[in-house]
Amino acid sequence: SQQGEEDPQALSIQEGENATMNCSYKTSINNLQWYRQNSGRGLVHLILIRSNEREKHSGRLRVTLDTSKKSSSLLITASRAADTASYFCATVSWDSNYQLIWGAGTKLIIKP
Amino acid sequence: DSGVTQTPKHLITATGQRVTLRCSPRSGDLSVYWYQQSLDQGLQFLIQYYNGEERAKGNILERFSAQQFPDLHSELNLSSLELGDSALYFCASSSPEGHTETQYFGPGTRLLVL
Repeated sequence: SQQGEEDPQALSIQEGENATMNCSYKTSINNLQWYRQNSGRGLVHLILIRSNEREKHSGRLRVTLDTSKKSSSLLITASRAADTASYFCATVSWDSNYQLIWGAGTKLIIKP
Repeated sequence: DSGVTQTPKHLITATGQRVTLRCSPRSGDLSVYWYQQSLDQGLQFLIQYYNGEERAKGNILERFSAQQFPDLHSELNLSSLELGDSALYFCASSSPEGHTETQYFGPGTRLLVL
């Protein structure tokens, strides 16, 4: 079953702008992860944020986690054409026996 | 390069046939996961193996089966194939350190059933 729900489903922005994607989930989590998938390729792990963390950075990526609202956001600053991809959130919880529960993804298009 | 390899990259076959997809996990990883991704869809978790034993089952059809061998490589067998089985099949691996369960994905096998 899918726990995470990303929104928007699709996002198209100009190169250089910031892109924000959101993920909501239903149950208490141990951690939340974001992955990127270029078209037809395997997923690549981007960043992991634990339930006791509120914000994490990695390069141009900024992830926030609000456990009270059961939501997370992924911000990509100064977007580039190479950021065009689908982005998935996945949660790990005690309830799911530490399986990754995946959202449906946000398709991001960066226009040059 | 994630370190996870999958073969073949592409597979074209006919309805009713049987195929085997192969996955080699990253060196040292004990867990292998199989996923199905249909066109422009999210990931559907199929099954997980840990150190040779089945650990978790997702939305895997009875026509599908998998196993993990002593050398930790895994195979996904798809039989009595239907048109709707056309999809990307991904294998991922992870090492059960703590509760991170970060997964490393292979490049996938694209299956086309005609």
